[in-house]
Amino acid sequence: QVTLRESGPAVVKPTQTLTLTCTFSGFSLTTERMCVSWVRQTTGKALEWLARIDWLDDKYYQTSLKTRLSFSRAASKNQVVLTMSNMDPVDTGTYYCVRQPTTTSGSGAFDFWGQGTVVTVSS
Amino acid sequence: QSVLTQPPSVSGAPGQRVTISCTGSTSNIGAGYDVHWYQQLPGTGPTLLIYEDIHRPSGVPDRFSASRSGTSASLAITGLQVEDEGYYYCQTFDNALSGNWVFGGGTKLTVL
Repeated sequence: QVTLRESGPAVVKPTQTLTLTCTFSGFSLTTERMCVSWVRQTTGKALEWLARIDWLDDKYYQTSLKTRLSFSRAASKNQVVLTMSNMDPVDTGTYYCVRQPTTTSGSGAFDFWGQGTVVTVSS
Repeated sequence: QSVLTQPPSVSGAPGQRVTISCTGSTSNIGAGYDVHWYQQLPGTGPTLLIYEDIHRPSGVPDRFSASRSGTSASLAITGLQVEDEGYYYCQTFDNALSGNWVFGGGTKLTVL
């Protein structure tokens, strides 16, 4: 059974750095073609892909946010950590950790989603 | 503004058929990348509804189907049910700007 769970602060102040942890089970990030991504949903319901880490430990970032994002594996093999610097009120929203097996043919679907963690950026 | 364009809303009566379009460009759908669809019911997170253009994950009823042509894709829902009400998103990969996984802006389905 595949599960993902996000954890992190509910509130951060503007300019602070957000650190989110994703704890997953039911799959291994060392399996070929396995990836984990972060997706957020901000005000207005839009979904936005943020970052991805793959089985080779390669990282990919949303072009417009690249300078603010960092994705890494935690000490535990079933955890990954996303940091997002210089938080702004427009970053308020729900942040999801998602499994994303990649394929040779295309984009790779986000097949399992965590429940999401709500982050509010406010002073 | 999303890279993939969806209508903000669609509606239909129970039992009817509705379609939701997803219009992209030559750097995403038109480049041949797989299109996926997600359903988000009220108060819940998104779930995978259709993957790799046409395939339904286990548990998704065959009332849901999808297709693609050129730079667009489409989701069809037949035999509308009240519990289908929610938001629907398309998603694919875009090879412009160093590559990103992109979503449509979402379509609110209302079952009248």
